[in-house]
Amino acid sequence: GNSVTQMEGPVTLSEEAFLTINCTYTATGYPSLFWYVQYPGEGLQLLLKATKADDKGSNKGFEATYRKETTSFHLEKGSVQVSDSAVYFCALNPSNNAGNMLTFGGGTRLMVKP
Amino acid sequence: DTGVSQDPRHKITKRGQNVTFRCDPISEHNRLYWYRQTLGQGPEFLTYFQNEAQLEKSRLLSDRFSAERPKGSFSTLEIQRTEQGDSAMYLCASSSRLAGAMIQSASEQFFGPGTRLTVL
Repeated sequence: GNSVTQMEGPVTLSEEAFLTINCTYTATGYPSLFWYVQYPGEGLQLLLKATKADDKGSNKGFEATYRKETTSFHLEKGSVQVSDSAVYFCALNPSNNAGNMLTFGGGTRLMVKP
Repeated sequence: DTGVSQDPRHKITKRGQNVTFRCDPISEHNRLYWYRQTLGQGPEFLTYFQNEAQLEKSRLLSDRFSAERPKGSFSTLEIQRTEQGDSAMYLCASSSRLAGAMIQSASEQFFGPGTRLTVL
C-alpha cells in the first residue's frame, strides 16, 4: 500500500537556522508529492508540490526535491523565521489514483524561537 | 471569502447521538473530499465526490458514517450513534479537475478549517 513517513517532532530551532524535515514514501508507480502546512488555528495549506522525479518544488523560501532513487521528498529552508512555526505534513497522490486521494504522513511540528 | 467553509467549527455531543457536519467547497470546484484527523496524526481520507456522485466510499470508517452531496455543491457528513473514538477533527477539501485531464494527481486540494468533534 501507499504510505508516508515523516521525522517525528517537535523540531525546535532558533531563528535563522537551517531546517530539514525528512519525508520518505512508499507507492507504486510515480506519485505526485506535496508538502502542506497547518498554522495554529488554521486549515491545511499547500506549501509546495512536485509531480515527477527530480522536480523541485519551492515556495516562501522552502524547497523539496522529488528523489525517486531514495523515495524521499525532504523539506528544507535556509533560514527559518518565527512565523514558520507550524505543523508540516508530507503527502502523496499515487499516479494511478484518478480520485486524487491524498495519503499523509503523521506531521512534524516546527517551533522557531526568536 | 471564497475558500472552503465548514460548519460547525466545534461540536460536543454525547455518546450515541447523531451528528451532521456541513462543507461548502469553493464554488467552481467539482471534487469534494472528506478526511479525518486525530490528535497528533495526519489526515486520513474518508470519501470523495465528483459533482454529486460519490466515487469512493470504501474508506468510510464504519456503516455509521455516511456522506451526501445532493446537488453537487455543499456536502454533509453524518455520524450515527457516535462513539468516543469518533472524537477527531473532520476536514473537508475541494479541487477542480483540469479540463481534458484523465488524472488529477497534481491538482491542489484546498482545505477548510475543519469541524472538531468531541464525543463525551
